[in-house]
Amino acid sequence: AQSVAQPEDQVNVAEGNPLTVKCTYSVSGNPYLFWYVQYPNRGLQFLLKYITGDNLVKGSYGFEAEFNKSQTSFHLKKPSALVSDSALYFCAVRAVQSGAGSYQLTFGKGTKLSVIP
Amino acid sequence: GAGVSQTPSNKVTEKGKYVELRCDPISGHTALYWYRQSLGQGPEFLIYFQGTGAADDSGLPNDRFFAVRPEGSVSTLKIQRTERGDSAVYLCASSSTVGTEAFFGQGTRLTVV
Repeated sequence: AQSVAQPEDQVNVAEGNPLTVKCTYSVSGNPYLFWYVQYPNRGLQFLLKYITGDNLVKGSYGFEAEFNKSQTSFHLKKPSALVSDSALYFCAVRAVQSGAGSYQLTFGKGTKLSVIP
Repeated sequence: GAGVSQTPSNKVTEKGKYVELRCDPISGHTALYWYRQSLGQGPEFLIYFQGTGAADDSGLPNDRFFAVRPEGSVSTLKIQRTERGDSAVYLCASSSTVGTEAFFGQGTRLTVV
């Protein structure tokens, strides 16, 4: 079975400072990894994905994430946080290989990011 | 349409009633997914369609839940004999091909009273 852990329920960061939202995963074989953001009363919005290739992935709104296979991690980062980045962030994983159940995205519980002015 | 559309946005129903939740995916997307999100939790997988067929329904919690996608586009999630524990936000997503990123609708908030 595949799983995602987001160890921090909440992350607080001052505006202009770098931010990191942590994610570790467990999956059979190689992973596809995703980050989504959820603003209040809105649906999930895709931020970025890792499929293959460079371990550093760049996405929307200046976010990036680093895939680390040995640590089974996919932490979300941004060099300079904005107040408008305050939202709920979800990491998700699915297995690369085909087969029963393999197209399911498994999500973490989410991390609430608060950027303080 | 420009995005995934879900109707209704809110649904309040009495315990024991039947409900239908509708999802209209992005035009041309062949893969469609249903998820359920309870308060304070991440989305949980329910069912996945590739075209008209349910390729994976392993996430449906019991036989009160089922979903259809008869023409390979619009999908309906159907819940019979609703229970208070069914209260959650039901999310629909679609993707152009299997394995690419999924785009989510705004969800239907179901409240069973």
